[in-house]
Amino acid sequence: GAGVSQSPRYKVTKRGQDVTLRCDPISSHATLYWYQQALGQGPEFLTYFNYEAQPDKSGLPSDRFSAERPEGSISTLTIQRTEQRDSAMYRCASSKFADGVETQYFGPGTRLLVL
Amino acid sequence: AQSVTQLDSQVPVFEEAPVELRCNYSSSVSVYLFWYVQYPNQGLQLLLKYLSGSTLVKGINGFEAEFNKSQTSFHLRKPSVHISDTAEYFCAVRNTNAGKSTFGDGTTLTVKP
Repeated sequence: GAGVSQSPRYKVTKRGQDVTLRCDPISSHATLYWYQQALGQGPEFLTYFNYEAQPDKSGLPSDRFSAERPEGSISTLTIQRTEQRDSAMYRCASSKFADGVETQYFGPGTRLLVL
Repeated sequence: AQSVTQLDSQVPVFEEAPVELRCNYSSSVSVYLFWYVQYPNQGLQLLLKYLSGSTLVKGINGFEAEFNKSQTSFHLRKPSVHISDTAEYFCAVRNTNAGKSTFGDGTTLTVKP
């Protein structure tokens, strides 16, 4: 597609429910990132993929969080047993290399509210 | 470890006035530096980046930033702002050999008529 897309744009859920967020990167981009952005703060790194490999998931805050990218394209971020502190904007970015430098392109984000 | 500090959370200015949004960073390794802009209900958009070479970098929409290694700063400037520049601005750093970025908490620029 023309840019990175994310769905849903907004999600309201009750505490204890599972949610799955989706990211559709720019089609030629091998690398995909997930960030969490709490209100009033900057994005914080969660995890990233190179195609389907997940070299770094050090930013995932707990084992309730997991991400997949099974075919090296679309990625999902799943939060199990959601808690109110999980309320945030979740941002996805895909990237390309040009002249040896990586440039990230961000999607519009999914705003999650856990009641 | 890296960190980014944006020194002002809110910057109100009048239209056509100059503006500077301040960013300081700390890192034990070489980094690339970025400024992103977020307009309401939109994703982060890259304004400009410093990779190497000239310390003054120019970006889109008339913005520029200067990398100061001794002061570990990367302040964003625009000589004359427009109402349409009202947005949130994020400074970010990234290792030169790793992909994840570390962001500041953002500065909300409000341009008043």
